[in-house]
Parts: sequence; structure tokens; C-alpha cells
Amino acid sequence: EVQLVESGGGLVQPGGSLKLSCAASGFTFSGSAMHWVRQASGKGLEWVGRIRSKANSYATAYAASVKGRFTISRDDSKNTAYLQMNSLKTEDTAVYYCTRHPSGWGQGTLVTVSS
Amino acid sequence: AIQLTQSPSSLSASVGDRVTITCRASQGISSALAWYQQKPGKAPKLLIYDASSLESGVPSRFSGSGSGTDFTLTISSLQPEDFATYYCQQFNSYLSFGGGTKVEIK
Repeated sequence: EVQLVESGGGLVQPGGSLKLSCAASGFTFSGSAMHWVRQASGKGLEWVGRIRSKANSYATAYAASVKGRFTISRDDSKNTAYLQMNSLKTEDTAVYYCTRHPSGWGQGTLVTVSS
Repeated sequence: AIQLTQSPSSLSASVGDRVTITCRASQGISSALAWYQQKPGKAPKLLIYDASSLESGVPSRFSGSGSGTDFTLTISSLQPEDFATYYCQQFNSYLSFGGGTKVEIK
């Protein structure tokens, strides 16, 4: 069974940084692309970005809203994906999910950007 | 980026009703479309992938159809546990989601 567990969320001031983790189990993590998706309270789902596998050169891609501020990485030896978020804005406040497309979602971790 | 337009944004229906939700892509995506159900405070749950393939364990009252730019999710007989928000998602180019359809009790 695919299991994904996010951690690292919390309260951060505008302009600050935060790093989220996504621990995976139940599937071949090293061969899988991993995505991050976020959802502001009462709003829809927004794709944040993804990282592909080693076989695909760990290629990353990002939504325009986070490009240049967020970085996705992975450590296949730890079956973990990461989302480094810099220069955070109030509009980045959301629940952040990691997902192995198409099925397999974590429970989400809440990031609140506020002064 | 590929935009997905879902309609309606919300609907009211009764138990036993047939419900149809549509999703239109801004450009052709072949059959690279999935449908998710989300309940408050929970992660999305996959219902349909590749436009019409039912995910294992999902009741057969859910079905999907379409290809290219126009897609449909149908619930043949709405059950109490189906009241939720539904999202379409394309995976032809990265990922993107429709705006969601909230299905409420009439």
C-alpha cells in the first residue's frame, strides 16, 4: 500500500523559509516521479511542482506562482522528497500534499505565512 | 499551461439522482485525465484515471468518459457518502486541476 507522510509545516513570517518532507513507503520510490500540490483553505487544488526519477535526470518543473522561490529535491536512499520554500508570501498559506500520481496522497501539512 | 474548466461549480442533488460533471481542457490532452473526490479535511481520492478507467475499489456507479478536450464524470445513483467536492486533473503536461464541483444535498 502506498503511504506518504508529510512533515515540516508550521507558521512562518513573510519572506521566511520552510522545508517540507515527504516520507514514502509501499512502492518503488526511486522509480517514481513525485509531485507537490497545495490547497488554500476553502479553495481548489493547485499543482506546485514535481521531480522525476534518476532515470529521468531528476528533472524538476514548477508552477509559475512558485518558480524561482521553491525547490523540490529527493533522497532516494531515504525514500523522501522535499519542498524547500523560500521568500514565502501570505498567499503561500495552504495545506501542502505530496503525491505519487495518480494515486497515493499524503495527509497534508499546513503552512501558514503570517506576521 | 493547460487550463481545465469544470462545470457546474456546485450542484444540489438528492440520493438516487444521476449526476454529471463536465471538464473541458484548453487544448487536447488525449485521455490523460483523472477524477478525484475530496471530503473536508481529507486528501483527494482517485476515482477515475485515463479518462474512463475505474480505480480499484471505487464503486461502479462512478464512470468517466471523453477524450481530447471534453470529459465527463457520471455518478449513476448518488449515495449519501458521495456528497463531496470533485476535481478533474490533467496529466498530459505536468499536472493541473479543474476548479472543483461541490455536490451538496438537496
